[in-house]
This record gives sequence, C-alpha cells and structure tokens, in this order.
Amino acid sequence: AQTVTQSQPEMSVQEAETVTLSCTYDTSESNYYLFWYKQPPSRQMILVIRQEAYKQQNATENRFSVNFQKAAKSFSLKISDSQLGDTAMYFCAFMKHGQGGSEKLVFGKGTKLTVNP
Amino acid sequence: GAGVSQSPRYKVAKRGQDVALRCDPISGHVSLFWYQQALGQGPEFLTYFQNEAQLDKSGLPSDRFFAERPEGSVSTLKIQRTQQEDSAVYLCASSLGDRGNQPQHFGDGTRLSIL
Repeated sequence: AQTVTQSQPEMSVQEAETVTLSCTYDTSESNYYLFWYKQPPSRQMILVIRQEAYKQQNATENRFSVNFQKAAKSFSLKISDSQLGDTAMYFCAFMKHGQGGSEKLVFGKGTKLTVNP
Repeated sequence: GAGVSQSPRYKVAKRGQDVALRCDPISGHVSLFWYQQALGQGPEFLTYFQNEAQLDKSGLPSDRFFAERPEGSVSTLKIQRTQQEDSAVYLCASSLGDRGNQPQHFGDGTRLSIL
C-alpha cells in the first residue's frame, strides 16, 4: 500500500516571500503521479500542480513549482511570491498509474499554510 | 453545471438514522469518486464508479455504507444506522477518465455531523 507523509502540520510565510512544503511517499510502484491540492476554508479541493513520475523535469505552474526526487521519494512544493489567497490547507497526493479501474488518490494529512500580510 | 455539485452542504442526524448524500458530477465525466475527510485529516478513498459500474469499493468502512450511480451520472452515498464515527466531510470528485492525466475535480463536500 502507498503512504504519503507531510511532516509539517503548520507553516507560515510573509506575503511576497517564498515557502516550501515537504512531502515524502512510500511505494513499490515505478509509474505513478504525484499531486499537490489546495483546500481553502470553503472546502473545495483545488489542483495546484501535477507531476508524472517518469518525467525527470520538475513541473511548474506560475508561482508554484515542485522539487521531485524520485530516488528519495520526495515531492516538495515551492510557492514563490506568496499571496494572501494562498492561505489554505495543502495536501500532497499519490496516484498509481494503473491498468484501468480505480485511480484513487492517496492523500497526506496536510500542511496548513498561513500567509501573513 | 460548471463544477461538481454536492448536496446537502451540511447534514445533522441522530445516531442510528439513515442519511443520503448526493453528488452531481461535471457533465460528461466518466469517473466518479467518493472520499471521506475526518477533521484535521486528508481525504480517504471510499469508492469509485466508471459510468454506472462500481469498480472499487474497497474503502467503504462497513456494510452500512452503500453507494450507487444508476444512470452513470448522479451518485448517492447512503449511510445506514449512522454512528458518531461517521461524522466527517464527504467529498465527491469526478474526472473525464481514470488516468492521472485526467485530473479529479472536487465538489465542496457535505459536512455530516452525527449527534
């Protein structure tokens, strides 16, 4: 079974600064996807960024980028130029690249990020 | 609609009552997932549908939990004889397909409180 660990329950950052959220995972699979989701107080889970394990290049989406270290099974999220709207719970998630059927997400426990003005 | 719609947004029930939670996925989305999110935790998988077929129900915690999607669109998660430990947010997600290159889109969830 796959597990996802987020070791930072809470973090804070000043507006306009950079913050990095950590995530490690455990799997015996060689082909999989990794995700970062954002969940603001409104509860809707929003996809921030996605990484395919077979791609060596780190994914980027505007101010969001990842540092994917496959051998270390590490997948950290860097948020640059933090904005007040980035305040939310952030979840790291794993999905096995399967042969069809359930491609369920396995989530970590989350990191609560607060961006201070 | 533009997104995944869940109703009700909040549900309070007494222990032992039955509840039904509804999910209306994005039109045309083949895959539908239910997750349970306890307070302060990440979501945990409950069950998965591809169209009307329930292909994975390995995450359902007991036989009191039942899900259906009879016409391959709207889905209902039913919990019978509710217990206090069923209190959680229930999230529904849908996607175009069942591959990681088709992202899952989540609804706002139903917060279930069992008294």
